[in-house]
Parts: sequence; structure tokens; C-alpha cells
Amino acid sequence: KNQVEQSPQSLIILEGKNCTLQCNYTVSPFSNLRWYKQDTGRGPVSLTIMTFSENTKSNGRYTATLDADTKQSSLHITASQLSDSASYICVVTLKAAGNKLTFGGGTRVLVKP
Amino acid sequence: EAGVAQSPRYKIIEKRQSVAFWCNPISGHATLYWYQQILGQGPKLLIQFQNNGVVDDSQLPKDRFSAERLKGVDSTLKIQPAKLEDSAVYLCASSFSRGVMNEQFFGPGTRLTVL
Repeated sequence: KNQVEQSPQSLIILEGKNCTLQCNYTVSPFSNLRWYKQDTGRGPVSLTIMTFSENTKSNGRYTATLDADTKQSSLHITASQLSDSASYICVVTLKAAGNKLTFGGGTRVLVKP
Repeated sequence: EAGVAQSPRYKIIEKRQSVAFWCNPISGHATLYWYQQILGQGPKLLIQFQNNGVVDDSQLPKDRFSAERLKGVDSTLKIQPAKLEDSAVYLCASSFSRGVMNEQFFGPGTRLTVL
């Protein structure tokens, strides 16, 4: 079983609408949790990074939240744009594994005009 | 600042053939990573270098995969012989150090198709 689970696997939204992506993780203790955006044919690019003591972090129209008690994180996209069409990957850094990154499977977002 | 460079971008080979990928990290980045990303999944770490030494290669299939980072800069990843299940995108990433908050910067990847 993957230690970082993301949902939904994919979603389609209309341009201008908001959406929220979910990430549940089972690993602990962790050092930090990151959200990456991966455009088709490109490598992942970091959007946000949060330590276990932080519960929210914003980067423009992207807002990530973290609940370390329930081991859940979410990424909220506000006023979606066509360029938001990409895969969004939740990544947990495992303190016990020498700060190795554990990747979720990603959520594929398609924004339609 | 120039990003992580990888080549080739695409490669198609037949099973049992050999293939090599090249990565040039961001200048000054001591840590280099190779990941395998199968379609629809998140990246999986294959090997991590700190300068020219291997830090973690626990998930590298050593019977067919090899990697080196001579002189602590560029790196090559080789598969010999390739299997159908090796079809994936191979991502190279680099970071300034191994610190917990150090961000990894990814290259565009090499898409390998094994027929």
C-alpha cells in the first residue's frame, strides 16, 4: 500500500472555478510535506512546502493546508486557469529514511474553457 | 539560472538492448537524484549521489541498471539489457545539499519506450 495516497485520481473543472485536491499519508515522523505541479512532458516543479508545525501555505492561487493530527493535506486552486491543467503530486519527506522523498501517485487536473 | 538538463528527451529501443541517459545538474548542486516515473504514478527514487559518492541505491535494480557521477557533476544512467517494464520517464533532479528543506529541481525527463 502506498504511504502517500491522493484523491481524486483525476478531475475536470471549468475555467474560473475552484477545486481541492486531497492527500493522505501514513508515514511518520515526517520532516515536511510538499506539493509539486507537473506539466505534461516536464519534470515536477515545487509549489509549496510545509513543516509539521505549519498548517497553511500559499503560492499565488494555490493554497496548501496540513493537518498533522489526521495526516491529511489539501491543495486548493482558486479561479482556475487553462495553464493549471497538470498533475499535482503530494510528497512527504521521511525523517526516518534519511529525508527521502515519498511521492503520491498524483491527481491529474484538466481545466476546460 | 539554467535548470537541470537531460538528454535524450525520447528513446525507443527493443527489449534486451542497452540505453544510456545523461544528466547535467544545476551548477553548484552537490546532490543528484535519478527517478523512474511509470505512467500514472509518482516518481520512484533509483539512486542518489552526494558529489560523486552514492548515498542511496537501495531501489536500483543492480542486475541491469547502473549509474555513475564522475567528477561530481554530470551523471549517466544505463540500462543493460532493457525489459518491457522499464518503459517509463527517467527524471534527474538536483539539490544544493541533502538538507531536509533543500528543494529538488527536476529536469524534463527522458521518456523511454521498450518494444
